[in-house]
Amino acid sequence: AQSVTQLGSHVSVSEGALVLLRCNYSSSVPPYLFWYVQYPNQGLQLLLKYTSAATLVKGINGFEAEFKKSETSFHLTKPSAHMSDAAEYFCAVSDVAGKSTFGDGTTLTVKP
Amino acid sequence: EAQVTQNPRYLITVTGKKLTVTCSQNMNHEYMSWYRQDPGLGLRQIYYSMNVEVTDKGDVPEGYKVSRKEKRNFPLILESPSPNQTSLYFCASSTQQGRYGNTGELFFGEGSRLTVL
Repeated sequence: AQSVTQLGSHVSVSEGALVLLRCNYSSSVPPYLFWYVQYPNQGLQLLLKYTSAATLVKGINGFEAEFKKSETSFHLTKPSAHMSDAAEYFCAVSDVAGKSTFGDGTTLTVKP
Repeated sequence: EAQVTQNPRYLITVTGKKLTVTCSQNMNHEYMSWYRQDPGLGLRQIYYSMNVEVTDKGDVPEGYKVSRKEKRNFPLILESPSPNQTSLYFCASSTQQGRYGNTGELFFGEGSRLTVL
């Protein structure tokens, strides 16, 4: 069975600082990995996805993530946080049957 | 505009009163799925459908039913709701089935907040 672990349910950074949100996964086959963002009172929207092409994936709003098979990780980063980045972030993995598993989410707070 | 539409957005009901949450997408997507979101638990998949007349259980299917008679619609049915089904529900759709599963972006509806008293 596949699983996703997001380390840290809450992360707080200052505006302009590096954002690092951690995600580790377990999957029995090469996975498809995703990061989604949820703003208050909204549905989720895709930030970026890994589907076995380049291991460094660039997404929207300046975010990127690196797939590291040896570490089973897919951490999300952004060099410089902006106030508008405050939201909840979810890492997700998809398996061979189309079943999707999400992490518990990380709430990002950006301090002025 | 490409979208996933859920109704109702908000609902308060009582234990045992059957209800249906509708979901419709206008993107001709094969794949559709239902999730529930609870604080600290992320999103948990209830049911999903790879195409018309094909549905499968997710991680938390107990107490729910679905059907996929048409490509665009994927209603979620609670035959006898209970208070532990109080939650925020999301419908999502996607395309792009790869060799190892769903590679595509999930498009989410805006959510349906259900309270069962």
